[in-house]
Amino acid sequence: EPEVTQTPSHQVTQMGQEVILRCVPISNHLYFYWYRQILGQKVEFLVSFYNNEISEKSEIFDDQFSVERPDGSNFTLKIRSTKLEDSAMYFCASGGGWNTEAFFGQGTRLTVV
Amino acid sequence: DQQVKQNSPSLSVQEGRISILNCDYTNSMFDYFLWYKKYPAEGPTFLISISSIKDKNEDGRFTVFLNKSAKHLSLHIVPSQPGDSAVYFCAASGEGGTASKLTFGTGTRLQVTL
Repeated sequence: EPEVTQTPSHQVTQMGQEVILRCVPISNHLYFYWYRQILGQKVEFLVSFYNNEISEKSEIFDDQFSVERPDGSNFTLKIRSTKLEDSAMYFCASGGGWNTEAFFGQGTRLTVV
Repeated sequence: DQQVKQNSPSLSVQEGRISILNCDYTNSMFDYFLWYKKYPAEGPTFLISISSIKDKNEDGRFTVFLNKSAKHLSLHIVPSQPGDSAVYFCAASGEGGTASKLTFGTGTRLQVTL
């Protein structure tokens, strides 16, 4: 069964450093997303990506964040200068489009120290 | 701004009985609703969805009911099994299903006891 894969599973970084979280969405999907879940809180939308551009972003997704689909398979989230409050589980998701479910990856746990 | 609410943080049900998880929403623009199951340290796993044009959708042991006038949906699991123990998230999106972002509830932890 096709699945969304994320790497790494756990990333520890120092405050102020840049991190790149990687995702391989399901191959025939057209819509790509990043969500995050801070420990004990709900899953929050960060950004959606369609047709090689951002289609929507939340207020969390400020100038420190960027997304890229550098080739036909990978989808990355970059945080330029990490803060302690960026520590969370980051989930990549992909969807086929209208009235279809979004499939989530297993997540990357980001710990900023 | 809690547009999707799950007011019960936890629920305990005996194996074989029915589990009913509830979800309320406030945004009348929501058009498509989904339930996800999540184990610790894993991503949400899709369970079942329903479009706003329907009031019920069934898939095996899982049934989702939607009451648009009350802005309420529920997930019924029958019979409940120990493997169903997980956190269940209700999610909603605008027109177009997952072409739009998902807004999640805070989750309900279901424990199915023997």
